[in-house]
Amino acid sequence: GENVEQHPSTLSVQEGDSAVIKCTYSDSASNYFPWYKQELGKGPQLIIDIRSNVGEKKDQRIAVTLNKTAKHFSLHITETQPEDSAVYFCAASRGSGGATNKLIFGTGTLLAVQP
Amino acid sequence: EADIYQTPRYLVIGTGKKITLECSQTMGHDKMYWYQQDPGMELHLIHYSYGVNSTEKGDLSSESTVSRIRTEHFPLTLESARPSHTSQYLCASRGRVGGSTEAFFGQGTRLTVV
Repeated sequence: GENVEQHPSTLSVQEGDSAVIKCTYSDSASNYFPWYKQELGKGPQLIIDIRSNVGEKKDQRIAVTLNKTAKHFSLHITETQPEDSAVYFCAASRGSGGATNKLIFGTGTLLAVQP
Repeated sequence: EADIYQTPRYLVIGTGKKITLECSQTMGHDKMYWYQQDPGMELHLIHYSYGVNSTEKGDLSSESTVSRIRTEHFPLTLESARPSHTSQYLCASRGRVGGSTEAFFGQGTRLTVV
């Protein structure tokens, strides 16, 4: 079945440094790739997403890159701040057109930003 | 702020009790999901629904059941709770809102079975 691998499982960086989280997906029909941030005691919340017709997308300090050929996508956070500390999940989906559009989540990355 | 709500937030219950975890959304989304999240963080899909009267089992086998009688409501029921059911349960919904396919999550229900 479809699966999404995510690395690393834990990541510790100094405040101001960059953080990179990488995911690999197996379903070549996937065309929608969101990233979610989960803070302690809360549900995951979308922070950025990318579609297969785009190679890169940026939103302030957050960027996502997609390599469809290699079936890789990555989350980049620059100038990290303590409030970026959370669990981050990548996901892949075939999109919203039909019934087979489950979001398949990666295993999560616990990011700790040290002040 | 997402318009999807889960109740209760926390529940401690004895073995053998029947429980229902509530999930409601006011966004008119057709797709709804239940995930089980263990302390190891990973999200496991246990049930999903693509619309009223549609329910499917997810990737992780679960003894729970769900129903979807109304678009906005997707409750999860455990007929006889066991300590192995202790976990965090997250509900999510998804649908085309302004062209977006974003999934919105509730705050979760932390269930402890003693």
